[in-house]
Amino acid sequence: DIQMTQSPSTLSASVGDRVTITCRASQSISRWLAWYQQKPGKAPKLLIYKASSLESGVPSRFSGSGSGTEFTLTISSLQPDDFATYYCQQYNSYVTFGPGTKVDIK
Amino acid sequence: QVQLQESGPGLVKPSETLSLTCTVSGGSIRNYYWSWIRQPPGKALEWIGYIYYNGGTNYNPALKSRLTLSVDMSKNQFSLKLGSVTAADTALYYCARVGYSDSTLFDIWGQGTKVAVSS
Repeated sequence: DIQMTQSPSTLSASVGDRVTITCRASQSISRWLAWYQQKPGKAPKLLIYKASSLESGVPSRFSGSGSGTEFTLTISSLQPDDFATYYCQQYNSYVTFGPGTKVDIK
Repeated sequence: QVQLQESGPGLVKPSETLSLTCTVSGGSIRNYYWSWIRQPPGKALEWIGYIYYNGGTNYNPALKSRLTLSVDMSKNQFSLKLGSVTAADTALYYCARVGYSDSTLFDIWGQGTKVAVSS
């Protein structure tokens, strides 16, 4: 099965900062990768799919890149609403989620 | 707009069967895949499996031997049964819609229901 890792596990940042989260797969998943945002007590929200495609309604400050085994999620200018936990998900073979990256206030 | 709502017991005894139902409102269950995902306390998300409206299924291999998903089109519901539960099955259980026909992506989620496994 495909294992997913994320780094860092926690990231402290300020409003306006550029933030980058990395996700790695244990084997190539082509571009079959999605990113979700989860706030406390809420269900996850799909942000990006196929590594770099923005889900409808998601602000353009979110972007994704990568292919194969290494992927990144970038928030170009962090907003107050963006403090949350971010998960990557591969869907190349079954489904596996990463362990999450918590973005908190510096 | 489509909404999902999980329901079922919040407490299950070890070795028994965990049963949950997801009710779909605001749209038809037809023509979509529907999934279950769980999140143990303080841990990451784990995909459980999905079912197509016609009954076709795909299960997480780690849970396959204990898992049964089913769909009831007359009630616009789909259900999960997980047998021989242990404390490791304690989690927040979400139902979700697989929103893309060619990719297992979850675009609509329920609010989640907590299930504890304890005697």
